[in-house]
Amino acid sequence: DGGITQSPKYLFRKEGQNVTLSCEQNLNHDAMYWYRQDPGQGLRLIYYSQIVNDFQKGDIAEGYSVSREKKESFPLTVTSAQKNPTAFYLCASSKGEIYEQYFGPGTRLTVT
Amino acid sequence: DQQVKQNSPSLSVQEGRISILNCDYTNSMFDYFLWYKKYPAEGPTFLISISSIKDKNEDGRFTVFLNKSAKHLSLHIVPSQPGDSAVYFCAASALGAGNMLTFGGGTRLMVKP
Repeated sequence: DGGITQSPKYLFRKEGQNVTLSCEQNLNHDAMYWYRQDPGQGLRLIYYSQIVNDFQKGDIAEGYSVSREKKESFPLTVTSAQKNPTAFYLCASSKGEIYEQYFGPGTRLTVT
Repeated sequence: DQQVKQNSPSLSVQEGRISILNCDYTNSMFDYFLWYKKYPAEGPTFLISISSIKDKNEDGRFTVFLNKSAKHLSLHIVPSQPGDSAVYFCAASALGAGNMLTFGGGTRLMVKP
């Protein structure tokens, strides 16, 4: 059955290390998104991609990088330049002109 | 500058009663609105949506009302059930912005048995 997978569920890293979060979808959706959620706050858009080999910065892209080499995959790298990387990261996808975005289960990243 | 605001961080309701979650927006270009439900440590799940050409949309126990002049929407859950306890996010999309969504800060709903 179709869906969005994010791995791992929990990730721990030392400060100064880059880390890559995985996001895969088999929904045949064109667009994919990365959000960040901090405690008690809403979802803030980091990066999005409407088609393969193209992506755009969201509201809080600094310290993050992405790639979109395949339609199914949209990995997010949290670099050492991100000042407050500890957060819950959510990946989502949507199809064409449809507004509804479907979310993966999320990855909780803790950097110490 | 928050374009979508949920001014109540939490709401407590008795089982069987109505839950009303509110959302305000400032961008007059928003033309499509969505509600998502989120359990802890999980991704949000889509609940219900409404286009700006309508003022009401209903799906089972869930009804969304849109007041464009007041730039306000609300989600009604009737009757509320303990399983409805979650964080609810409203989101909006602007005309010409493709699939981009702007989310509110969320309201935590607690339904007491």
